[in-house]
Amino acid sequence: DAGVTQSPTHLIKTRGQHVTLRCSPISGHKSVSWYQQVLGQGPQFIFQYYEKEERGRGNFPDRFSARQFPNYSSELNVNALLLGDSALYLCASSPGLALYQETQYFGPGTRLLVL
Amino acid sequence: AQSVTQLDSHVSVSEGTPVLLRCNYSSSYSPSLFWYVQHPNKGLQLLLKYTSAATLVKGINGFEAEFKKSETSFHLTKPSAHMSDAAEYFCVVRDNQAGTALIFGKGTTLSVSS
Repeated sequence: DAGVTQSPTHLIKTRGQHVTLRCSPISGHKSVSWYQQVLGQGPQFIFQYYEKEERGRGNFPDRFSARQFPNYSSELNVNALLLGDSALYLCASSPGLALYQETQYFGPGTRLLVL
Repeated sequence: AQSVTQLDSHVSVSEGTPVLLRCNYSSSYSPSLFWYVQHPNKGLQLLLKYTSAATLVKGINGFEAEFKKSETSFHLTKPSAHMSDAAEYFCVVRDNQAGTALIFGKGTTLSVSS
């Protein structure tokens, strides 16, 4: 079975630009979460979507937005890019809301570099 | 509030010797605890998880962890290190009453020498 897939794998943007990152969850999974991993740090939670609705939001500015499509794939959008947005963006999927026993499965990530 | 503290940023062991990666957590409710491993240029892989069943949890590749509520610890161990264990390890907590977000520690880099 295919795992979580993300595209693109790498991306270079300049300050002020906009970026869209994409994620396809494991087949049958209805929840997608997004995390930002800055170099040398652990991942930080950005959003969770379940059944196309936002179910959680981390401490990130409004420049970050996301959505989930009827096929449960998801997009993360970042506007007005800053140098500090350079990071590995990870997508994770789970069958349901990922509470208690449920595990989140991570994709390989999209590495974003902002110049 | 939930938090995770990984007590060592870097651990170095010789191949065949035991591994101990230390983790303390803070959670206001009954937590779920996880250890994830991240190899260079690869995604995060779940090693093991504690979700209020047995306090000694066995994971993949010979790793195990023990949940100690009195010490708020969830240390990761392996009896004998292998070269392929060299990677970044993350201790993770989820407060199931607070929401679904995973809270990651800063990570421990494990180096294994021959």
